[in-house]
Amino acid sequence: DVKVTQSSRYLVKRTGEKVFLECVQDMDHENMFWYRQDPGLGLRLIYFSYDVKMKEKGDIPEGYSVSREKKERFSLILESASTNQTSMYLCASSFRRVGSTGELFFGEGSRLTVL
Amino acid sequence: GENVEQHPSTLSVQEGDSAVIKCTYSDSASNYFPWYKQELGKRPQLIIDIRSNVGEKKDQRIAVTLNKTAKHFSLHITETQPEDSAVYFCAASRTPWNQGGKLIFGQGTELSVKP
Repeated sequence: DVKVTQSSRYLVKRTGEKVFLECVQDMDHENMFWYRQDPGLGLRLIYFSYDVKMKEKGDIPEGYSVSREKKERFSLILESASTNQTSMYLCASSFRRVGSTGELFFGEGSRLTVL
Repeated sequence: GENVEQHPSTLSVQEGDSAVIKCTYSDSASNYFPWYKQELGKRPQLIIDIRSNVGEKKDQRIAVTLNKTAKHFSLHITETQPEDSAVYFCAASRTPWNQGGKLIFGQGTELSVKP
């Protein structure tokens, strides 16, 4: 059973704080993703990674950075949190190999509130 | 950039009725179209997908149709049940194992099935 685990389900931070969101997957997936989920806006891609130490910007990367030092772990970093970053953050992973289904496996989400 | 539009944003049906959710996409190179279901408080999960070499795919009470010429695809749920109540997301991407399976999601449809 695929497991994608996000370190925190709920976080409350103050404006200007540095925030780390951690994601770990146990299925040896090459791809890892960070999405942001807001009502009426769907799932918007922040950053993704094809491999260790590799990262690509998604559609809304401003204000975020990522780190992938190990294959199983993908971290999302908010260098200086702002109130407009209050949201639900979803991590996901998938295989990259030829013939793979492309299915994304999601974590349970981290709900971040920035005061 | 790539875009996926999804309609309606909310849909309410009586148990036993059919439900249809429609999506249009902008990237003509898209060839993989999955649908994800997110129950309240849960993670999104893949329920069905279709590739561009087929026009329709069925799995029990759910079906997806694809019109590549018009660049739109739809999810059909027949004989709806209360457990079908959830938010449904459509998505589109190019070949899933290329570009890291980068999916562009629609805005989501909140389906409510009333007993």
